[in-house]
Amino acid sequence: QKEVEQDPGPLSVPEGAIVSLNCTYSNSAFQYFMWYRQYSRKGPELLMYTYSSGNKEDGRFTAQVDKSSKYISLFIRDSQPSDSATYLCAMSGNTDKLIFGTGTRLQVFP
Amino acid sequence: GAVVSQHPSWVICKSGTSVKIECRSLDFQATTMFWYRQFPKQSLMLMATSNEGSKATYEQGVEKDKFLINHASLTLSTLTVTSAHPEDSSFYICSARREFGTSGGDSYNEQFFGPGTRLTVL
Repeated sequence: QKEVEQDPGPLSVPEGAIVSLNCTYSNSAFQYFMWYRQYSRKGPELLMYTYSSGNKEDGRFTAQVDKSSKYISLFIRDSQPSDSATYLCAMSGNTDKLIFGTGTRLQVFP
Repeated sequence: GAVVSQHPSWVICKSGTSVKIECRSLDFQATTMFWYRQFPKQSLMLMATSNEGSKATYEQGVEKDKFLINHASLTLSTLTVTSAHPEDSSFYICSARREFGTSGGDSYNEQFFGPGTRLTVL
C-alpha cells in the first residue's frame, strides 16, 4: 500500500463547477499537508498549506484535513479553464521529506 | 518572494556524457534543498536531500556515485548526472526549504519548487 493515495483522474468539469480533489494516507505521523498545482512541463506551485486538522480557505480554494480519517481534500469553487492542471497532494511528518500523491489531472472546459 | 530557479530548463546529451543541473534560491537562503525526479504522468520521487556544507542524503535505490550533489552555498545546489544513459531521461525538479517559524508549538517549513529541467539522453 502506498503511503499516499490519490486518484489520477482525469477529472473533467464545466467552467463554474465546484471541484473536489482528495487524498488518503496511511501514516498517522503526517502533520503538514499541502496541495500543489503543476502545469505541464513546469515545477509544482504551492496552493495551500495546512498544519494538523481543520479547514483553510484562500480565495476560491479550500483545503480540509481530517486526521481521524486520514483524508484530505481540496475544493475549487467557480472553476476556470485556467485551473486545468495536475493537482498534487503532499504531506510530511516532523522531517523535511515530502511524500507526494500521484496527482489528479483536472480539465475545466468552457 | 520565494523564487527558485533551475538551469538549464532542458538539455539533450549523448549517452555516456555528464550533465550538471543548477538550482538557485533567488530571494532567500536555503540550508536544505531537495532533488526530485518525475516520469511522465507520475508523481515526484525524492532522490536526495542536499544540505549546505555537508554530504547529501540519498533515498533508497538512488546511486550517489551517479547522481552527484553539491550544495556549495546557501543559495545554490547542483545535481550532476554522471555517465548518463537513456534511462536517466526524465524531468528533474529541485526545491528549496524556507523556514516559516512556528505553528502549534512546532517549527514548520515550506518547500518552493524550481521550474524543472527536462533531460533527454540519446
